[in-house]
Amino acid sequence: EPEVTQTPSHQVTQMGQEVILRCVPISNHLYFYWYRQILGQKVEFLVSFYNNEISEKSEIFDDQFSVERPDGSNFTLKIRSTKLEDSAMYFCASSEEQGGRSPLHFGNGTRLTVT
Amino acid sequence: AQSVTQPDIHITVSEGASLELRCNYSYGATPYLFWYVQSPGQGLQLLLKYFSGDTLVQGIKGFEAEFKRSQSSFNLRKPSVHWSDAAEYFCAVGAQGFQKLVFGTGTRLLVSP
Repeated sequence: EPEVTQTPSHQVTQMGQEVILRCVPISNHLYFYWYRQILGQKVEFLVSFYNNEISEKSEIFDDQFSVERPDGSNFTLKIRSTKLEDSAMYFCASSEEQGGRSPLHFGNGTRLTVT
Repeated sequence: AQSVTQPDIHITVSEGASLELRCNYSYGATPYLFWYVQSPGQGLQLLLKYFSGDTLVQGIKGFEAEFKRSQSSFNLRKPSVHWSDAAEYFCAVGAQGFQKLVFGTGTRLLVSP
């Protein structure tokens, strides 16, 4: 079964550094998402992306965050200047249709630790 | 806006016993409802989904869930739990025209021998 893959599985960075989290969505999916899960808390929506642009974002997704689909397969999340509170598990997901209607398929996540 | 409540943070069930995990949602129209499972170090795997039609939906791994509009609930059930079911379970709600899913805080299932 096709799956969403994320790299790296674990990233450690120092406060103020830039990080890029990478994802390869399922190939025939059109909608892409980033979610995060701070340790012990709920999974929170960050951003959705369709047709090469952001279609929806949460209040968490401020100017420090950006997303890009640099080629036909990768989908990236960039955090420009990391803060301690950005430490979390970041999940990429993709779906065939809009997420309200079509199930999201999640990757195994990237655990980001900011020191 | 949609919201989801999972009132049980932890549940412990004996292997072979039945299981019910509670989920209540808040949304003005008919929601799209999902249950996901997360094993340690893993991503979120879809167990089952409800969009419309039959209110009792079957999923993978022997799980089922029942949509009850009058109670705004979508509880997950399994008749006989296996040790491999120990994981965190998340209920999520989506809505037509919206991109995102809103997740509950999760219920951690522990299975005792």
